[in-house]
This record gives sequence, structure tokens and C-alpha cells, in this order.
Amino acid sequence: DQQVKQNSPSLSVQEGRISILNCDYTNSMFDYFLWYKKYPAEGPTFLISISSIKDKNEDGRFTVFLNKSAKHLSLHIVPSQPGDSAVYFCAVTPPQGGSEKLVFGKGTKLTVNP
Amino acid sequence: GAVVSQHPSWVICKSGTSVKIECRSLDFQATTMFWYRQFPKQSLMLMATSNEGSKATYEQGVEKDKFLINHASLTLSTLTVTSAHPEDSSFYICSAISGSWYNEQFFGPGTRLTVL
Repeated sequence: DQQVKQNSPSLSVQEGRISILNCDYTNSMFDYFLWYKKYPAEGPTFLISISSIKDKNEDGRFTVFLNKSAKHLSLHIVPSQPGDSAVYFCAVTPPQGGSEKLVFGKGTKLTVNP
Repeated sequence: GAVVSQHPSWVICKSGTSVKIECRSLDFQATTMFWYRQFPKQSLMLMATSNEGSKATYEQGVEKDKFLINHASLTLSTLTVTSAHPEDSSFYICSAISGSWYNEQFFGPGTRLTVL
């Protein structure tokens, strides 16, 4: 059973517009949520995170929103740039042991068109 | 951020041979390293947690004798795929932790393994 779901395998947006990437999770005990960006043939790089005690975290063009009641988080990128084109993974830390362990979604491939 | 390297970046081998993949933290000491595996269009799946000087902890369903992990020093962990078969073909990624915060987990560039 997937604990972390990214239901949209791909997303295409126009440069300058907003990109919204979504992620759903199953366990209300998850306490930390992260977004990673990954280019082909490279490892993921950390983008932004949010703790379960918050509902919003902003860093420049990137904002992550957390809706605990819906077990949903989203990543907003505005304005989107062609260099943002990559696969975005959301990840959570599971509640059982090993606080550094990450469980990843399948990723959403974002394409920002010039 | 800190840099994690992997070697080789890609490897092709014959079925039945063993392949060793190295993961190094270049500018920090990593007490813990993780090994992930990614199939095409799939999420990163944690295979094992590697702690320096102790045995690795494997996730459920990962064969310990198949995927040998050695964390010999604070800057090096190795993953050996023993008696590789075509189904082991995958993208293997390591990560290393430099501190106790989640966003200090740095990932290597990955190793593409193709078993013929």
C-alpha cells in the first residue's frame, strides 16, 4: 500500500504561471513533510519542508501548504521558470522508528514551457 | 550544501557477476547513509540504512545476502549487488546525513545498473 501518493505523473505549465504539485498521504501520524527536485540521472535535491505543526512554509518562489485534516500537501511554484522543469517528489518521515527515514511518492514530472 | 558522490555513475554487467557501488561524503562525515532504489516511473524505495561501524538495517523485502552493505568509514559506504540478475537492473541512489535534521540528508547522483 502506498503511504504517499502523487496522483499526477506529469504537469505542464507556461512560464510565469503558477505550478501546483499535489501529494496525499495515508497516515495522520506523519510529522514532517519534504519536497525534493530531481533531474534525470541525478540524485534528488532538497527543496522545501514543513512540520506538521504548521500549515504553510514559504521560501522564495516555493511555498508548501499542509492540510492535515485532508492529509494533503501541495507545492506551489510561482512564477514558474523553464529551469524548474524536473521531477518533484514529496517525501514524509514515517512515525515508526528512524526519524531520518524518508518515504517517497512516485513523483510528478513538471514541464515549464517558455 | 554538502556533496555526496557515487561511483560508478553507470555500470553494465553480465548476469551472475557482482557489482560494487561506492557512496562517499566528500566534505562532511556521515554517521548514517541510506541506499535507495528507483525503478522507472516509480518512487525512491529505501533499501537499507547504513551506520558506520555496525551492520546495516534492511527494509522488509530486501535480501541481505543479495545486497551487501559495508559502511567502513564516516565517509564511505558500499553496496555490493551479488550474483546480479536482469531484475536487479535499476537506478541506485545513496544519501548521507550530516546532522540530525531532515533537510540535511544529501543525495548522491545515482548509479545506473544494467544487468545483461
